[in-house]
Amino acid sequence: TQLLEQSPQFLSIQEGENLTVYCNSSSVFSSLQWYRQEPGEGPVLLVTVVTGGEVKKLKRLTFQFGDARKDSSLHITAAQTGDTGLYLCAGALITSGTYKYIFGTGTRLKVLA
Amino acid sequence: EAGVTQSPTHLIKTRGQQATLRCSPISGHTSVYWYQQALGLGLQFLLWYDEGEERNRGNFPPRFSGRQFPNYSSELNVNALELEDSALYLCASSLLAGWGYNEQFFGPGTRLTVL
Repeated sequence: TQLLEQSPQFLSIQEGENLTVYCNSSSVFSSLQWYRQEPGEGPVLLVTVVTGGEVKKLKRLTFQFGDARKDSSLHITAAQTGDTGLYLCAGALITSGTYKYIFGTGTRLKVLA
Repeated sequence: EAGVTQSPTHLIKTRGQQATLRCSPISGHTSVYWYQQALGLGLQFLLWYDEGEERNRGNFPPRFSGRQFPNYSSELNVNALELEDSALYLCASSLLAGWGYNEQFFGPGTRLTVL
């Protein structure tokens, strides 16, 4: 059972367009992190959100943590070709008495010039 | 400052063999994490070492094992390789132990192919 579902799975857009990626779960997370991974490299941390309802901005990227800490979104304004990559959400939680770190299913973004 | 390094970059083995993957964390980082990124399965946590001890283990069989050396570098061993073990194996390190609030720095990975 995948605890963190991301949507959409794939996204191909033109440069300059806006987009939103969603990360949803039925579980409550103590925090959520977003990463971007480019081919041949490991994921790179973009942001950590901790408080329910928290909104963080990183230049053209806006991250939101749901009020109930079960979901998160990543919004990119005026996408650029350099935003192309695999976007992953990940969160820490305790389930069945075990401390776990779960990655989402991933959203592969391609921004066309 | 050097990032997390992993070796080898690529590894080709046959079914039933053993594979050893190595990771050097960022200087000063004591926690090392191993992840498997397989096609169709996404990124999954394998093992976490901190100060030489195994702190947590993902849902993988015992033939996946590892260790952390006194210099904090780490080794992942996969015994009795199966075709399904073909994946990118990523190592990450962090200054503080644990997940969720820390920044993990990932290496470029070792691509393991099992024939």
